[in-house]
Parts: sequence; structure tokens; C-alpha cells
Amino acid sequence: AQRVTQPEKLLSVFKGAPVELKCNYSYSGSPELFWYVQYSRQRLQLLLRHISRESIKGFTADLNKGETSFHLKKPFAQEEDSAMYYCALTGTGANNLFFGTGTRLTVIP
Amino acid sequence: NAGVMQNPRHLVRRRGQEARLRCSPMKGHSHVYWYRQLPEEGLKFMVYLQKENIIDESGMPKERFSAEFPKEGPSILRIQQVVRGDSAAYFCASSRTSGDPSYNEQFFGPGTRLTVL
Repeated sequence: AQRVTQPEKLLSVFKGAPVELKCNYSYSGSPELFWYVQYSRQRLQLLLRHISRESIKGFTADLNKGETSFHLKKPFAQEEDSAMYYCALTGTGANNLFFGTGTRLTVIP
Repeated sequence: NAGVMQNPRHLVRRRGQEARLRCSPMKGHSHVYWYRQLPEEGLKFMVYLQKENIIDESGMPKERFSAEFPKEGPSILRIQQVVRGDSAAYFCASSRTSGDPSYNEQFFGPGTRLTVL
């Protein structure tokens, strides 16, 4: 069975500090991993996907198949990064996304 | 492009009533997905539809829930004889073509928050 675990419901960091949002997954096949973000009063939107190997808004995430993790990282947090972050996965050829429970990041000025 | 539209944003129903949630996909999108988010949980997939077809309903409860995406008009998620456990946020997403989200981004609506009294 597939599972996405985000162990931290809440995470607070100071502005300029590094931030890491943890995501571990369980999936029997070869998954595709994503990070979605929901800023205050806005709708859920895609932040990045692992197949793109891109950096968005300074965030990066590396898929570690050995540790089954896809942690989201940013070296210097900004106040505008405060939001709800969801890790999600899908299987090859699947139609739907499977989400974790989310982590609320607060960046303290 | 106004994005994915959902209405109503908030819906209150008494136990036993019917709830109808509407979703208008983004312009040019013909694929619609419904997700449900219960309190303290992540979004859970319910159903994937294309125009006039249900492609994948593996996440739909077996009873009382149905979905449609007619040739004209919005997609409708219908919940009959609601119970308190149906209280949740229901999100709709749409994509342009293929259902594989690895290659075709799903754009989400603002959600409908259903409260069952």
C-alpha cells in the first residue's frame, strides 16, 4: 500500500535560517514525487516535482530511494515561505495523487 | 483564465439531505479529479473523470457518492443522505490532457467545505 508520511505538523524557523521539511514514502513500484504548497487564502499549487530536478523559489528536493525520502530544503528561509506544504506521490501511469498530511511552515521575522 | 472554479465554497447540510458540489475546470482542460480532505488528514483521491466518462473511481465510497462530468457544464460530485462523517473539504483539480500527473500538472480549485449538522 502506498503511504506518504510528513512527521512534522508544524515547523517554525527564523528568517535566513535553513529549512527542511521531511517526507517519507512507501510504495511498491517506482513512484513519482511532488511537493505542493498552499499559501494563506490561496489554492493548492504545485511547487516542484522530482522528475524535473528543478529549484523553485530556492527550494530543492532530492529523491532518496534508499531512504524512501523526498525532503524539501531551502538554505535561507524567507517570510513569504510561510505556508502549508504537502508531499505527494503517484505511481507510473496512475491518474491520481496520494498526499501526506502536510506541514505548516512558519518563518519568524 | 480564472482557474478551476468550485461552488459553493461553503455548504451546510443536515443529516439525510443531499449535497451537490460543482467544479468547472480550467479553460481547455478536459480531465477532472475530485479529492476529499478530512480534518487532520491529507487530500485523498476519490474519482477521475473525462467528459461524459468516469475513468477511475477507485477512491469513491461504494454508497451514496456519485460523480459526473457531462458534455456541457461543470462536473458534479453528489452525496446522498449525508452523514456527519462526510464533513470535509472537497477539492477539484483539472488537467489538460493525460491523467499522469508526472507530465500534466493538476490545477486545484479553492475547495468546498461541507459541514453536516
